[in-house]
Amino acid sequence: DVKVTQSSRYLVKRTGEKVFLECVQDMDHENMFWYRQDPGLGLRLIYFSYDVKMKEKGDIPEGYSVSREKKERFSLILESASTNQTSMYLCASRPPDRPYEQYFGPGTRLTVT
Amino acid sequence: GNSVTQMEGPVTLSEEAFLTINCTYTATGYPSLFWYVQYPGEGLQLLLKATKADDKGSNKGFEATYRKETTSFHLEKGSVQVSDSAVYFCALIRNSGGYQKVTFGTGTKLQVIP
Repeated sequence: DVKVTQSSRYLVKRTGEKVFLECVQDMDHENMFWYRQDPGLGLRLIYFSYDVKMKEKGDIPEGYSVSREKKERFSLILESASTNQTSMYLCASRPPDRPYEQYFGPGTRLTVT
Repeated sequence: GNSVTQMEGPVTLSEEAFLTINCTYTATGYPSLFWYVQYPGEGLQLLLKATKADDKGSNKGFEATYRKETTSFHLEKGSVQVSDSAVYFCALIRNSGGYQKVTFGTGTKLQVIP
């Protein structure tokens, strides 16, 4: 079974802090994604990566950056956390030949106070 | 642009009731359509898919038919169980800037009571 793990289930940070959310997948997938999930808005794509050291902006990249130094690991970085970044963050990976087959991690619920 | 519209929840049903969760889409061309499910405390899982018009996706007793004429992909199940309580997301795949991205609906929470 594909496993996607995220470093924390719950995280509380203060406004202005730098925040790292880590995601690791064990199926050698090239493609990895970061979404945020908010009530009434569904999932929105923040950033994605199709290969090591490659990154592309999604629909809502402002206030975020990412890092992909190894194939299995995709990190989301909040350079200076703000209260409007309080959300559930979901990481996903998928094989390149089956774009619909995304495997999601359990999510990190981030609260910025 | 491409978008997915789902009925708002929560939907509350008694066990063994019939379920319909409506989903309509707006897209250029002919996107592939999906339903994902998110059980409490977990990430999303692919439930079923349909890649062309008139295709019927099915899994775990759930079904959805790709209707091009009505741009719909409604999720149905004949007899729900308490274990079906979850949030259901309708989604489509779109091509954007040479990449294939998934657009999700806002999700519909289903509560099944014994």
